[in-house]
Amino acid sequence: GQNIDQPTEMTATEGAIVQINCTYQTSGFNGLFWYQQHAGEAPTFLSYNVLDGLEEKGRFSSFLSRSKGYSYLLLKELQMKDSASYLCAVDGGATNKLIFGTGTLLAVQP
Amino acid sequence: DTAVSQTPKYLVTQMGNDKSIKCEQNLGHDTMYWYKQDSKKFLKIMFSYNNKELIINETVPNRFSPKSPDKAHLNLHINSLELGDSAVYFCASSQDPGAIAHGYTFGSGTRLTVV
Repeated sequence: GQNIDQPTEMTATEGAIVQINCTYQTSGFNGLFWYQQHAGEAPTFLSYNVLDGLEEKGRFSSFLSRSKGYSYLLLKELQMKDSASYLCAVDGGATNKLIFGTGTLLAVQP
Repeated sequence: DTAVSQTPKYLVTQMGNDKSIKCEQNLGHDTMYWYKQDSKKFLKIMFSYNNKELIINETVPNRFSPKSPDKAHLNLHINSLELGDSAVYFCASSQDPGAIAHGYTFGSGTRLTVV
């Protein structure tokens, strides 16, 4: 089967660093995505990993280990506006169908 | 300019009615999708079209029928609406498979409430 797991909720403090983990089991793998979704809005693309290692993009970094079926999203210098759901998604086949996890709701507190 | 636009943004309707949601993208993408996001925020794919051709059809009741008149449009028609159809429906588009690294671009969603 296909399964993507993330923590349901996390809380962090403004200015701190938070790591959101994602583990996956899929029949195929063409890459892993992270999306940010603010309440009542559309998901927006954050990052894409297809090879093992760390991809850095400003305050956000994403890591992938294909052998472990594991990824994390690292958010540095947290801001209040980072409060949102973070969705892990895997492209598991030839049709580029993204399979989403249930998302992690991050609350950034002052 | 809006890249992926959906209409309507909100839709409240009674059980048993038939309704349509429209989606248009001006990104020149070849592939379009419909996703359903339930109350627990879980996004699940329903359909995908590539150049007007249906390529993904998940286990969705046949009351749901997608239509793609051209590669820039993908509409969703729902017959005999049920309470369980209440959700947010997102349209999305992506470039050719070789450019998947850019991910999907999502529309702003249609919040469907069946009463």
